[in-house]
Amino acid sequence: QKEVEQNSGPLSVPEGAIASLNCTYSDRGSQSFFWYRQYSGKSPELIMFIYSNGDKEDGRFTAQLNKASQYVSLLIRDSQPSDSATYLCAVRGAAGNKLTFGGGTRVLVKP
Amino acid sequence: EADIYQTPRYLVIGTGKKITLECSQTMGHDKMYWYQQDPGMELHLIHYSYGVNSTEKGDLSSESTVSRIRTEHFPLTLESARPSHTSQYLCASSEGDYNEQFFGPGTRLTVL
Repeated sequence: QKEVEQNSGPLSVPEGAIASLNCTYSDRGSQSFFWYRQYSGKSPELIMFIYSNGDKEDGRFTAQLNKASQYVSLLIRDSQPSDSATYLCAVRGAAGNKLTFGGGTRVLVKP
Repeated sequence: EADIYQTPRYLVIGTGKKITLECSQTMGHDKMYWYQQDPGMELHLIHYSYGVNSTEKGDLSSESTVSRIRTEHFPLTLESARPSHTSQYLCASSEGDYNEQFFGPGTRLTVL
C-alpha cells in the first residue's frame, strides 16, 4: 500500500461545476496536509494546507480533513478551464519535516 | 521579492560529464529539498537539508550529491551523468510549524 494514494484520473468536470478530489494516507500520526497544483511541464504550486479536522476554505477551494478516516479532500467550486492541471496531495508524517506526495489526480475542465 | 531560483532551466549534456544544478532562495528558509520527477510520474525526494552543513539522503536512491555551505544555496552535483539521470529536478524550501514547501521552476536535464 502506498503511503499517500490518489486516483490518477482524469477527472472530467464541466465548466462551472464542482470538482472533488480525494486523498488517503497510511500514517495515522500525520500532522499536516497540503494540496499542490501542477500544470504540465511546470513545478508544483501550493494551493492550501490543512492541519485540523474539518473544512478550510480559500476562495474557490475547500480542503476537508478527516483524521479518523485518514483522508483529505479538495473541492474546486465553479471550475474553470484554467483549473485543468494535476493536483498533488502531500502529507507531513509524524516524524520530521519531509513531505510524502501522492501520484496526483489529473483534472480536465471542459468548456 | 522573496523567491526560489533554479539554474539552468534546461540542460542537454553528454554521458560522463560532471554537472551542477543550482538552487538559491531569498525566502530566508532553513530547510531545503531536492526532488526528482519524470514526466507524468510522482515526485521523489532525493536530498534534503535542515540547515547549514546538514544534508541527508531522501527516499529515492540517487547518485547525486549536495552541499549546504550557505543558508540560501543548495546545489546538486552529478559527478558523471548518464542517460538514466534524464529527468526534471525540482528544488524546494520551507519554514514554519506546518512546513509549507515552495518550489522553484525546475531544471529539465537530458543526458545523451
